[in-house]
Amino acid sequence: AQKVTQAQTEISVVEKEDVTLDCVYETRDTTYYLFWYKQPPSGELVFLIRRNSFDEQNEISGRYSWNFQKSTSSFNFTITASQVVDSAVYFCALSIIPPGAQKLVFGQGTRLTINP
Amino acid sequence: GAGVSQSPRYKVTKRGQDVALRCDPISGHVSLYWYRQALGQGPEFLTYFNYEAQQDKSGLPNDRFSAERPEGSISTLTIQRTEQRDSAMYRCASSLEGQADTQYFGPGTRLTVL
Repeated sequence: AQKVTQAQTEISVVEKEDVTLDCVYETRDTTYYLFWYKQPPSGELVFLIRRNSFDEQNEISGRYSWNFQKSTSSFNFTITASQVVDSAVYFCALSIIPPGAQKLVFGQGTRLTINP
Repeated sequence: GAGVSQSPRYKVTKRGQDVALRCDPISGHVSLYWYRQALGQGPEFLTYFNYEAQQDKSGLPNDRFSAERPEGSISTLTIQRTEQRDSAMYRCASSLEGQADTQYFGPGTRLTVL
């Protein structure tokens, strides 16, 4: 079975601070995808990034960066120079590359509040 | 282009009534998924389809829950004899292929059972 743990339930920082959201996953499969989704106050679930287990290169997209480390089964998400609009619940998720299960297994989410 | 759409966005029903939740996936997306999200939790998988075939229904909590996608496009999730514990956000997602491609989510249907 797969499991995703987001140990940080809530984080609150002041605008312009950097913040890292932790994600630890468990799976016996050797091929899988990892995802981050954002759920803003409006409630929709917005896709941010997908990484596959073959590629441990870190990725940067503007103020967002992701650190994937298979050795520690972690896929952490850093927001640099945070802004109020970054306030949301962030979910980390895992899916197995076929022929395994197609479903996404989500963590419980981290509620991030950016204060002005 | 248009994203995943779901209707109704909000549904309030009385215990014991049946409800039908609709999902219209992104055009051309082969796979369609249903998830349920309780307040303060991450989404949990219910079932998924490739075209019209239901590939996995292991997440459906009991036989009061069923889903169909008869023409391989629009899907309906039906809950019979609703109970208060069924209250949650029901989310639909679609993906381009059935090969663990990225899933794009709709806005969800908030179901409240009184």
